[in-house]
Amino acid sequence: QVQLQESGPGLVKPSETLSLTCTVSGGSIDSDYWSWIRQPPGKELEWIGYTYFSGSTNYNPSLKSQVTISIDTSRTQFSLRLSSVTAADTAVYFCATDRRPYNWKIWGQGILVTVSS
Amino acid sequence: EIVLTQSPGTLSLSPGDRATLSCRASQSVSSNYLAWYQQKPGQAPRLLIYDASSRATGIPDRFSGSGSGTDFTLTISRLEPEDFAVYYCQQSGGSPPGFSFGPGTRVDI
Repeated sequence: QVQLQESGPGLVKPSETLSLTCTVSGGSIDSDYWSWIRQPPGKELEWIGYTYFSGSTNYNPSLKSQVTISIDTSRTQFSLRLSSVTAADTAVYFCATDRRPYNWKIWGQGILVTVSS
Repeated sequence: EIVLTQSPGTLSLSPGDRATLSCRASQSVSSNYLAWYQQKPGQAPRLLIYDASSRATGIPDRFSGSGSGTDFTLTISRLEPEDFAVYYCQQSGGSPPGFSFGPGTRVDI
């Protein structure tokens, strides 16, 4: 069974770039859709974007100018970069995956990232 | 962008009760790509239902989904203590697909 684990800094300064990595274990990264989703404290979920194993990507239009998602199949990891962050980007960030690009069956535990000086 | 509305915001019930949760879309959800998730405090969401009515692997049969177009329902036939949580609906539409979530329904004891 595939398992996902997010890692990265828990505190980022305003205007800087948030960088997170999701490590995949228990299965191959050479297939399926690999996504990032976030949830501000006490609020609803927001899809950020996904990468396919081939490297093609699809981003939330509202975040597209800030987001880069990439995949490293040799290291069984995929990553999120979110530039020019503000306090509004404070959230729990989840990585998630499924065989189809319509929903997500497997999720990481999530990582809280706070944007503050 | 398709906006999802969930009702009620909070449902106060007892173990053994039947729970009916509603999700309404601002426009038709393509191919009924509508999913339901359960989320407990401090945990990631758990996929319950996909394609409006298909139960995900390992999900008890007391959970069922129905609906099409713009109106969808999640039914929990008999609430167990572990079912008290927040439930979100989520749609996928367009090519390439975009995604949106509803605001959630909290099921409280």
